[in-house]
Amino acid sequence: QKEVEQNSGPLSVPEGAIASLNCTYSDRGSQSFFWYRQYSGKSPELIMFIYSNGDKEDGRFTAQLNKASQYVSLLIRDSQPSDSATYLCAVRAFSGGYNKLIFGAGTRLAVHP
Amino acid sequence: DTGVSQNPRHKITKRGQNVTFRCDPISEHNRLYWYRQTLGQGPEFLTYFQNEAQLEKSRLLSDRFSAERPKGSFSTLEIQRTEQGDSAMYLCASTGMIGDFTDTQYFGPGTRLTVL
Repeated sequence: QKEVEQNSGPLSVPEGAIASLNCTYSDRGSQSFFWYRQYSGKSPELIMFIYSNGDKEDGRFTAQLNKASQYVSLLIRDSQPSDSATYLCAVRAFSGGYNKLIFGAGTRLAVHP
Repeated sequence: DTGVSQNPRHKITKRGQNVTFRCDPISEHNRLYWYRQTLGQGPEFLTYFQNEAQLEKSRLLSDRFSAERPKGSFSTLEIQRTEQGDSAMYLCASTGMIGDFTDTQYFGPGTRLTVL
């Protein structure tokens, strides 16, 4: 079983719609969760982090965390063609006295005009 | 703050050659990570430095791979006797800003390695 799972997509949404990206993780002890956006050929850039159950909003982005269900999601409101990218979910794992990120394979989002 | 930088951005080499990549982290960060990313996959952890000490190496890091971080500043990742399976994007990330309890990792632009 993969530690962090995402639907690979592509998820296709029309411009202006809400895009919903989902992620599940296996380690029930995980505390911090990150969403990165990655354009083709580029490196990941941080969008949001979340560590408390519930919703966290930042502009058009809302991260949702449900630790009981081991589920993290990212909502993108008013989707734009420029949002077309791969979205990586990452879970912070603590072992050996330090943190590292465990990434999912990413969900490719395509926003069409 | 100019962010994390990596050099070179692209490297094409022949199988069996050695290659070395460099990462310059954000200056205030004392922790540095190397990841490898292949097409269609998320980044996979390779190794971690706290200051100059290499504290963890993934089993993905075979004996042909070595990483250093002299004086706790920039880091180098060397691959000896490259194989075609080493073709990937090598990403460096840094963290450790005082007061950043989230321990957020910021990534450099990556070095894309192609082994022919």
